[in-house]
Amino acid sequence: ETGVTQSPTHLIKTRGQQVTLRCSSQSGHNTVSWYQQALGQGPQFIFQYYREEENGRGNFPPRFSGLQFPNYSSELNVNALELDDSALYLCASSLDPGFTDTQYFGPGTRLTVL
Amino acid sequence: DAKTTQPPSMDCAEGRAANLPCNHSTISGNEYVYWYRQIHSQGPQYIIHGLKNNETNEMASLIITEDRKSSTLILPHATLRDTAVYYCIVKAAGGSYIPTFGRGTSLIVHP
Repeated sequence: ETGVTQSPTHLIKTRGQQVTLRCSSQSGHNTVSWYQQALGQGPQFIFQYYREEENGRGNFPPRFSGLQFPNYSSELNVNALELDDSALYLCASSLDPGFTDTQYFGPGTRLTVL
Repeated sequence: DAKTTQPPSMDCAEGRAANLPCNHSTISGNEYVYWYRQIHSQGPQYIIHGLKNNETNEMASLIITEDRKSSTLILPHATLRDTAVYYCIVKAAGGSYIPTFGRGTSLIVHP
């Protein structure tokens, strides 16, 4: 059984650029959630995808968008990057979005916006 | 989902029990209490969860008060590798999914 993987591990972008982060869910999991974690803060929920459809969204602007593919892997896209987007981006997978779903997190992608 | 309150930091001697409290006074009847921890520079790791009964697994024990307004995570024999930030969150089974992680408790286990 493989765990949750994310790529790349680190990324440096400049303000105004666009970025795509990738996540492969744990084997057998059909739900992926994305979180943003600023330095010294807890993870903040961005959105969740279940069977290729968005299934809940936190308080993030539309320039944060996502996709889930038929193999349940997922992408997080951020357009028009701002300095405050610098953070650790975490992906978590779970068996399903509903009843007592335990999330398994990946190691994260560290994004730096200059 | 209900919010939680945790002390910002705690410390514990290696080999002793670490008892991490969490207040969730606005918890609803269908909300579970989950605990995760995050070791520096890694993704959070699931520890344990419960609804109203006390729970135990190979990592920890979870004690939930009868009124469910607070809980305690117990690491029975803390080791240096247990040094991490511990998050207590509450979330409902099903429904809209907006889990809320606070700042957690930074636990330092010292020799």
